[in-house]
Amino acid sequence: NAGVTQTPKFQVLKTGQSMTLQCAQDMNHNSMYWYRQDPGMGLRLIYYSASEGTTDKGEVPNGYNVSRLNKREFSLRLESAAPSQTSVYFCASSVRGRTGGEKLFFGSGTQLSVL
Amino acid sequence: DAKTTQPTSMDCAEGRAANLPCNHSTISGNEYVYWYRQIHSQGPQYIIHGLKNNETNEMASLIITEDRKSSTLILPHATLRDTAVYYCIVRLFNKFYFGSGTKLNVKP
Repeated sequence: NAGVTQTPKFQVLKTGQSMTLQCAQDMNHNSMYWYRQDPGMGLRLIYYSASEGTTDKGEVPNGYNVSRLNKREFSLRLESAAPSQTSVYFCASSVRGRTGGEKLFFGSGTQLSVL
Repeated sequence: DAKTTQPTSMDCAEGRAANLPCNHSTISGNEYVYWYRQIHSQGPQYIIHGLKNNETNEMASLIITEDRKSSTLILPHATLRDTAVYYCIVRLFNKFYFGSGTKLNVKP
């Protein structure tokens, strides 16, 4: 199992450009998440998807759109990139644990710079 | 509106126990407490979680107070590789919210 795979690993954009960050998991998890992490800060939730076809806003959804077309994939789109969106983006999926609760699994991150 | 409160940083001597505290006074009765850590800029790694009882696994122990308003993560014999940011997390409406975490510095 590859776990949670994010592409690309690095990306540089100019202000106003658009792009989509891709995330796929092969663990058959229902829930998926997008987080951003600014330098020296904790992770902030952008969007959450409880299942295929459903999405919900997190703490910082402005400037982003998401798409959960199937169980495996959860993409994050920046329609018009801004320098404030320079950050490391993490995708995660979660599964219910054998002893209760949910367990998060993270991808390796995408480092995005907007000039 | 912080869901958890943790000290910004802590130091620990190599080989000693590291005790990382967390306050989660607004936790709901059926919600778990989770601990993750992040080494450098890698994706966070699961450590342990618990509901009411104390929990132990191969990585750490979790002590939850009887009123469930706070907890302590214990790394029994810290090594230099345990230097990381440790996040205490509770979920809200099925979503995981990370705070700023505690930067643990393990020193030789």
